[in-house]
Amino acid sequence: EVQLVESGGGLVQPGESLRLSCAASEFTISSYWMSWVRQAPGKGLEWVANINQDGGGKYYGDSVKGRFTISRDNAKNSFYLQMNSLRAEDTAVYYCARDLPHRSSDCWGQGTLVTVSS
Amino acid sequence: DIQMTQAPSSLSASVGDKITITCRASQSVRNYLSWYQQKPGKAPKLLIYAASGLQSGVPSRFSGSGSGTDFTLTISGLQPEDFATYYCQQSYSVPNTFGQGTKLEI
Repeated sequence: EVQLVESGGGLVQPGESLRLSCAASEFTISSYWMSWVRQAPGKGLEWVANINQDGGGKYYGDSVKGRFTISRDNAKNSFYLQMNSLRAEDTAVYYCARDLPHRSSDCWGQGTLVTVSS
Repeated sequence: DIQMTQAPSSLSASVGDKITITCRASQSVRNYLSWYQQKPGKAPKLLIYAASGLQSGVPSRFSGSGSGTDFTLTISGLQPEDFATYYCQQSYSVPNTFGQGTKLEI
């Protein structure tokens, strides 16, 4: 079964860093753009970032630009979200996703909760 | 950034009804428009890609149409499992913005 599994979420204080991982199984991520999307408690979906197949193209939402970095390791069939200078408003469930050619996301992880609080 | 506006924000309907949700982009997104269904505590599920393409495994009662700035998601013959929140998303330009969501309730 094609699957994505996130890890690395947790409780951190404002200003701290966290690295999320997304591991893929039953498909090879090297053929796909990959994305991160988040959802604050009780709110809608917010696109965070995506990365092209070889990692040479990386794009970010305005609210995370300059603080978050997306990366990938195709050899490990995984990709990542490094989150620095975290703020309370970054509190959310973070989903990783696989993108189709039109950048629709057809496969999603189960989500990992990041809580930023003192 | 391209703004995506969905209407209505919430909708009450009954099993068997036909409903339509609209999504309007602040500028043309051509056909780079997707629709997702999300149930509480679950990840989103892709229903429609490229404005009108039915994702594999999605029932044919779901359909999408539109191009440019105006799009619709139609569900013909609502089933109990369809009561959820629906989101549109444009992927024409970054950031790939979502609409605010439409909650479909019984």
